Amino acid sequence: ILNVEQSPQSLHVQEGDSTNFTCSFPSSNFYALHWYRWETAKSPEALFVMTLNGDEKKKGRISATLNTKEGYSYLYIKGSQPEDSATYLCAFIGTNAGKSTFGDGTTLTVKP
Amino acid sequence: GAGVSQSPRYKVTKRGQDVALRCDPISGHVSLYWYRQALGQGPEFLTYFNYEAQQDKSGLPNDRFSAERPEGSISTLTIQRTEQRDSAMYRCASSSTGYEQYFGPGTRLTVT
Repeated sequence: ILNVEQSPQSLHVQEGDSTNFTCSFPSSNFYALHWYRWETAKSPEALFVMTLNGDEKKKGRISATLNTKEGYSYLYIKGSQPEDSATYLCAFIGTNAGKSTFGDGTTLTVKP
Repeated sequence: GAGVSQSPRYKVTKRGQDVALRCDPISGHVSLYWYRQALGQGPEFLTYFNYEAQQDKSGLPNDRFSAERPEGSISTLTIQRTEQRDSAMYRCASSSTGYEQYFGPGTRLTVT
């Protein structure tokens, strides 16, 4: 059984704060890691696809890093805004390149 | 179509009945995935297809669950003799690359 762990489970920050959270995954048989943003009552939307150790991806105020050797990825949000409030999911894809194993997400609430 | 669609969006059924959940992926997407999602948790892998071939069904909980994608496009997830524990959100996703997945709105199944 693959364990994909996300921490913290939830996070409350003030508008303008920068924040980060973690996705831990198996360090063996790594193929790719995805980050998704999921708003309540909507479907998860892809943020980043990360494949190489040391990868750093950025989209606006959101960025992510990847360490496949130690099995973790960080997601950073700079200057959080209320519209960033959502659950952020990571998904590990192993070398069979098919099945995705999701974490349970970090739920971010940004207070104005 | 513009995105992944699922039908019905909501299904209430009595214990012991069979249900069929439909997924219409983004046109041209090779891969199609089925997930089950409990409240407050990330998507749990059930099965996935490349074209019409079922590649991995290791996540199907038991033999009451089955899925097909006969023409490599629309897929149906069937649950026979439903039980209350089957109540959940069932999500479908499709992908053109096998990596980044596009999720449908889900079918909320309630077994009474």
